[in-house]
Amino acid sequence: SQELEQSPQSLIVQEGKNLTINCTSSKTLYGLYWYKQKYGEGLIFLMMLQKGGEEKSHEKITAKLDEKKQQSSLHITASQPSHAGIYLCGADGAGTASKLTFGTGTRLQVTL
Amino acid sequence: NAGVTQTPKFQVLKTGQSMTLQCAQDMNHEYMSWYRQDPGMGLRLIHYSVGAGITDQGEVPNGYNVSRSTTEDFPLRLLSAAPSQTSVYFCASSYSADGGQPQHFGDGTRLSIL
Repeated sequence: SQELEQSPQSLIVQEGKNLTINCTSSKTLYGLYWYKQKYGEGLIFLMMLQKGGEEKSHEKITAKLDEKKQQSSLHITASQPSHAGIYLCGADGAGTASKLTFGTGTRLQVTL
Repeated sequence: NAGVTQTPKFQVLKTGQSMTLQCAQDMNHEYMSWYRQDPGMGLRLIHYSVGAGITDQGEVPNGYNVSRSTTEDFPLRLLSAAPSQTSVYFCASSYSADGGQPQHFGDGTRLSIL
């Protein structure tokens, strides 16, 4: 079965600093999703990557999928308190949502 | 714009009791799924459905039943609650079961079994 490892597990950054979260898969990624979760709430979809080398951005968040399609990174530029939460990567297994697996998450705190 | 609605938000049960967690979506999505989220273990798939009348088991199905009589609703039943089922439960839906379709999540049900 596919396993996703996220690093770091937790992160504390000062407001305005940049940061990167990584997601590494044990198998080829057919579809990689990034979600954000605030405490006590559900998961909010951020971005989806499917092609090797693909890069997507939304506001100050950029996600990339490497050429070999086994690792993805999420980069936040000039972090703000609103970026705090848990970031999770999820992946389709063999091109079907019924095999979707998730990493254990990265907890981000942004200090003033 | 409701999306995926889960009820209740919180529930406390005694060991051996049964209950149903409700999930409804108003996006006409074919694919629906249930996950549980536990500390240090991420989200794990319990059961899923690719359409009305069709359900299948995920990674951790034991102790749970599901049915899908309509496109909109996908309830999760705990047959005889056990402390190991204390968790946060999330329902999600997507347009189809094909890969490349982001899933939309509800706000979760926090369940404690005493």
